[in-house]
Amino acid sequence: SAVISQKPSRDICQRGTSLTIQCQVDSQVTMMFWYRQQPGQSLTLIATANQGSEATYESGFVIDKFPISRPNLTFSTLTVSNMSPEDSSIYLCSVEGKRGEKLFFGSGTQLSVL
Amino acid sequence: GENVEQHPSTLSVQEGDSAVIKCTYSDSASNYFPWYKQELGKRPQLIIDIRSNVGEKKDQRIAVTLNKTAKHFSLHITETQPEDSAVYFCAASMSAAGNKLTFGGGTRVLVKP
Repeated sequence: SAVISQKPSRDICQRGTSLTIQCQVDSQVTMMFWYRQQPGQSLTLIATANQGSEATYESGFVIDKFPISRPNLTFSTLTVSNMSPEDSSIYLCSVEGKRGEKLFFGSGTQLSVL
Repeated sequence: GENVEQHPSTLSVQEGDSAVIKCTYSDSASNYFPWYKQELGKRPQLIIDIRSNVGEKKDQRIAVTLNKTAKHFSLHITETQPEDSAVYFCAASMSAAGNKLTFGGGTRVLVKP
């Protein structure tokens, strides 16, 4: 499986500010995915990040709130903008395995918004 | 879109007993069903998956069964050990591509020594 590094691992932020989360993979991947896991909840897909094109957002998530960059095949960022306490969650990036099978997750970013 | 229901939400078993978690899905076009284990404070880890052309798959103490007609699949853990304590998530997808994975609500499993 790919090695997926995510940073920061955790942060405490003030409401109204923005945080950018970085995801680095040790191999080139076509698609990268960003998930949110609210406290004690399941995983919800935010968007799919494709290199060279705009991210594709799932219902309930918009680019203004969660802008995503994908400058190359090994890196992506997710920004959580104008944060409120409701944004307190774990944010996870993920990638498919080399044969396009299976989904592997990064270590996650635990975000707390005060 | 796809909807995945998972039961039970919590499961407590005695060490050595078996644990069974069940999931149902709504979209008959789904054909890929992975299971993830998430220990406290850690990332979800893929533990087993099954595709719709297979009815059962085993890997040591864990197994997954799939009933496409009834649109449900189950995770079976035999001879449970304390290190099996975690939250388990099922998921469904219309392909092996992760961008359409829909997750169940999760099952918190506690194995009591």
